[in-house]
Amino acid sequence: AQRVTQPEKLLSVFKGAPVELKCNYSYSGSPELFWYVQYSRQRLQLLLRHISRESIKGFTADLNKGETSFHLKKPFAQEEDSAMYYCALKDSNYQLIWGAGTKLIIKP
Amino acid sequence: SAVISQKPSRDICQRGTSLTIQCQVDSQVTMMFWYRQQPGQSLTLIATANQGSEATYESGFVIDKFPISRPNLTFSTLTVSNMSPEDSSIYLCSVEAAMNTEAFFGQGTRLTVV
Repeated sequence: AQRVTQPEKLLSVFKGAPVELKCNYSYSGSPELFWYVQYSRQRLQLLLRHISRESIKGFTADLNKGETSFHLKKPFAQEEDSAMYYCALKDSNYQLIWGAGTKLIIKP
Repeated sequence: SAVISQKPSRDICQRGTSLTIQCQVDSQVTMMFWYRQQPGQSLTLIATANQGSEATYESGFVIDKFPISRPNLTFSTLTVSNMSPEDSSIYLCSVEAAMNTEAFFGQGTRLTVV
């Protein structure tokens, strides 16, 4: 079955500390994976996608097919990173399968 | 990019009534989707809105309860029919300019059924 798992509902770290939001997936084909973010009172928006292999707002995510993971990382958290983060996988019907989301809180 | 205007942003409705949510995009898009996001939960796809034909519904969602229209490439509506308190949720419109591109989202409609 196709599935995206974000094991942490809530992650709280101090400003300046490293951040890792975990995402694991189950998919039989070649996955296309995304991280979307929703800041307070804003709409959901794309943060990054694995095929771009770019860093956005200091965040990176590497697709690890062996571990079926796509964890989101940032070396030094900033207060403005506080938001809801969703990992998503696009299936062969071009539909997005969503993880449950992780609420990230950056403490000052 | 695509800018989406979703209306209304919120509403409180009596059980048994219906509410129509509108999604207007500033450019022509291939894919339009409707999601439901219940409090503290992830996004659940209701249906894919198809231009000029019936929407494609996901398991657990039916046309009688959630009729969808998509008369052109920039506009769609979702109606929540014969509402009950269990329909209280956030409803989201999402679009993609073409297959396999970035998804853009409306601001959402927060529906409360009393």
